[in-house]
Amino acid sequence: AQKVTQAQTEISVVEKEDVTLDCVYETRDTTYYLFWYKQPPSGELVFLIRRNSFDEQNEISGRYSWNFQKSTSSFNFTITASQVVDSAVYFCALSEIGDDKIIFGKGTRLHILP
Amino acid sequence: DARVTQTPRHKVTEMGQEVTMRCQPILGHNTVFWYRQTMMQGLELLAYFRNRAPLDDSGMPKDRFSAEMPDATLATLKIQPSEPRDSAVYFCASGAIRSDEQFFGPGTRLTVL
Repeated sequence: AQKVTQAQTEISVVEKEDVTLDCVYETRDTTYYLFWYKQPPSGELVFLIRRNSFDEQNEISGRYSWNFQKSTSSFNFTITASQVVDSAVYFCALSEIGDDKIIFGKGTRLHILP
Repeated sequence: DARVTQTPRHKVTEMGQEVTMRCQPILGHNTVFWYRQTMMQGLELLAYFRNRAPLDDSGMPKDRFSAEMPDATLATLKIQPSEPRDSAVYFCASGAIRSDEQFFGPGTRLTVL
């Protein structure tokens, strides 16, 4: 069965600090996608990234970076030099390649304090 | 800029009333999903369609919920009769087949009194 665990329910950091959001997943499939979505206070869900299970290279996009480690079934998300606008709920998600369904974690609520 | 649209954005109704939520997927997308988000349960998949055919509605309470796609540009989620425990934000998302990427609408915030 597929499962996504985001153990951190809520995190608060002061602006400009780095913060890492943890994501651990379970799947019996060898081919799958991993995602991160952001849900700001306005409520919409914003796609951030998709990685497939064949590619363990870390990804960097501006202040955002993602660390994918198959050995520990983790796909962690780091925000460098956090800003107040990064305050949101962040969801990690998983889907098996070829399956339309995405399984979401419970989310981590991130507060960036000025 | 193609987007998924949902109407209404907010709905307040009384217990027992029928509620219909509508979604217009991105043109050309073949899969449509309905999710419910609550504080307690997070994001739950209620139902999804591929090429307008329902593929999985196991997440939906069958006795009161129904989901349909009358045509490729419209998906509906209906609750009849509504109950207070249905209060949640309902999201629609669409995607292209095999892309595994879903684009979400802004959601419908439903409050059942």
